[in-house]
Amino acid sequence: ETGVTQSPTHLIKTRGQQVTLRCSSQSGHNTVSWYQQALGQGPQFIFQYYREEENGRGNFPPRFSGLQFPNYSSELNVNALELDDSALYLCASSPIGGTNTEAFFGQGTRLTVV
Amino acid sequence: GENVEQHPSTLSVQEGDSAVIKCTYSDSASNYFPWYKQELGKGPQLIIDIRSNVGEKKDQRIAVTLNKTAKHFSLHITETQPEDSAVYFCAASKIAGTYKYIFGTGTRLKVLA
Repeated sequence: ETGVTQSPTHLIKTRGQQVTLRCSSQSGHNTVSWYQQALGQGPQFIFQYYREEENGRGNFPPRFSGLQFPNYSSELNVNALELDDSALYLCASSPIGGTNTEAFFGQGTRLTVV
Repeated sequence: GENVEQHPSTLSVQEGDSAVIKCTYSDSASNYFPWYKQELGKGPQLIIDIRSNVGEKKDQRIAVTLNKTAKHFSLHITETQPEDSAVYFCAASKIAGTYKYIFGTGTRLKVLA
């Protein structure tokens, strides 16, 4: 177990709806990254939050947004859901500082858009 | 753009044999290379990593090698066991700025008893 927890574990939404996914980072970790993993593919970087601010973004449209809270937990929000947004959404926490770069993943949220 | 290629996509080995998975990265500035194991229905689990100032790293039955010149890195699993069956992902990152990982497409390893 990594200590990174995500909720919910599964979710079904209708196209056009909005969804919020949640992540609690591992104790002592101040950085949270979100990844999208389509079936049979490797995870793709969505964005990262460090000290409550976005610290880098991948090739995802603005309808993907996020937040990080003072306790370092994080939310991923997706507006105007599309069928292609169906995927496993992974949260990873990292102890940024010095040369530490290890990222520890949660179990993911499986989102199905119908 | 940044890219990581991973081969093979599937690999079947007999229990006790060795397994090798290879990755190639495109960004010469990459300097951190983790390997993850993902079991069905779970998130990726870090199994070993290597930094660019090291050519090889070993942890029990698992080893990783890095060739910076060729921009290749490989995962070696010796004495494979059925519980090693999973999908393995390589990734590349930079120890600076945004610590984003570029992942390979994964290798499904099956260890046959």
